[in-house]
Amino acid sequence: DAKTTQPPSMDCAEGRAANLPCNHSTISGNEYVYWYRQIHSQGPQYIIHGLKNNETNEMASLIITEDRKSSTLILPHATLRDTAVYYCIVRNNAGNMLTFGGGTRLMVKP
Amino acid sequence: NAGVTQTPKFQVLKTGQSMTLQCAQDMNHNSMYWYRQDPGMGLRLIYYSASEGTTDKGEVPNGYNVSRLNKREFSLRLESAAPSQTSVYFCASSEAMTHGYNSPLHFGNGTRLTVT
Repeated sequence: DAKTTQPPSMDCAEGRAANLPCNHSTISGNEYVYWYRQIHSQGPQYIIHGLKNNETNEMASLIITEDRKSSTLILPHATLRDTAVYYCIVRNNAGNMLTFGGGTRLMVKP
Repeated sequence: NAGVTQTPKFQVLKTGQSMTLQCAQDMNHNSMYWYRQDPGMGLRLIYYSASEGTTDKGEVPNGYNVSRLNKREFSLRLESAAPSQTSVYFCASSEAMTHGYNSPLHFGNGTRLTVT
């Protein structure tokens, strides 16, 4: 399985863009990058996923480098409600499970 | 549309007791999963069911059994609870888990289990 590396914590000012990095240098060609977040005590929530191209939805944007060894999740205008742990995950070759690492604890401050 | 529903929300067991955690989804999803999350840590996969009638072990299956009762329901059983099983248990579902199919997981809000 491709492993991911994320900073354990980050701060962001309310209203500013939050840029959360993820390193996945061992990713293979057919593996997708997924992002989930977990707000305190709740189940994880799907945010976005991508393979090669940049992706955008109503929640966030995902930027994947050309060599696919890293990616960045962008929350364009962070709010206090975006305070959560953000998980970057690479789907394994068998496609049969998502492995969650430690994630990045994002604190959005007023 | 409730999504993924887990019961109970909280449970306290004594060492050696047994119990079953229930999970149901109303999204007509084919695949279902059980994860555990220990304090301050990420989620670890216990068991999963790719489709009705099939189950497979995940990363940490020891001490657990599962049953895919039908397409909607996937239960997790602790036959003889141990303090090391104190955790928050999350059930999830997805449309499918066929290789290459990128179907997101939808999670329930968890069962908080304490084993004394």
